[in-house]
Amino acid sequence: GNSVTQMEGPVTLSEEAFLTINCTYTATGYPSLFWYVQYPGEGLQLLLKATKADDKGSNKGFEATYRKETTSFHLEKGSVQVSDSAVYFCALVLNRDDKIIFGKGTRLHILP
Amino acid sequence: DTEVTQTPKHLVMGMTNKKSLKCEQHMGHRAMYWYKQKAKKPPELMFVYSYEKLSINESVPSRFSPECPNSSLLNLHLHALQPEDSALYLCASSRGEVNEKLFFGSGTQLSVL
Repeated sequence: GNSVTQMEGPVTLSEEAFLTINCTYTATGYPSLFWYVQYPGEGLQLLLKATKADDKGSNKGFEATYRKETTSFHLEKGSVQVSDSAVYFCALVLNRDDKIIFGKGTRLHILP
Repeated sequence: DTEVTQTPKHLVMGMTNKKSLKCEQHMGHRAMYWYKQKAKKPPELMFVYSYEKLSINESVPSRFSPECPNSSLLNLHLHALQPEDSALYLCASSRGEVNEKLFFGSGTQLSVL
């Protein structure tokens, strides 16, 4: 079946450190891929997305590249801030009418 | 207005109570969703309305009853809930087709005693 696997958290980093959160997927076709972020006490927000192989999604200094050869969509940021502390969900949609499949989420703590 | 508004933010109810969760958006979105999220877990899809018609019901128990009175409003009626139903209930919307970019509300934190 279709699934998303994210690295286990929590991830704790100091401010200005480089961030990578790994995400790999299994899908029977060619999915669209997403990163959603959930700040404390809030709902999820779409952070970035990519709809086909080699696309790069970017937003707020975060980037992720759709790698078909490694079935990956790793999230990166060059210099994290305390305000980036949140839970990050990798997700996929195979066909438009299918439900979104979320990974388990990775909690990120940034220390000042 | 790019918000999805959910009320109430917190709700405590007994197992014999009847209550409703409300969700509203004024972005002209035609797909609306209910998700359930337990602590430290990803959201789980419950229902999808597309153009005011129920298009997906993820085998949710009948003690949860969704309603879409118009294209801007989505309700979730609750009756005879169990303590294990305690969770954060999130409403979301998307512009046209199901699963375009989802806009989420902040949720209703529900506790069933």
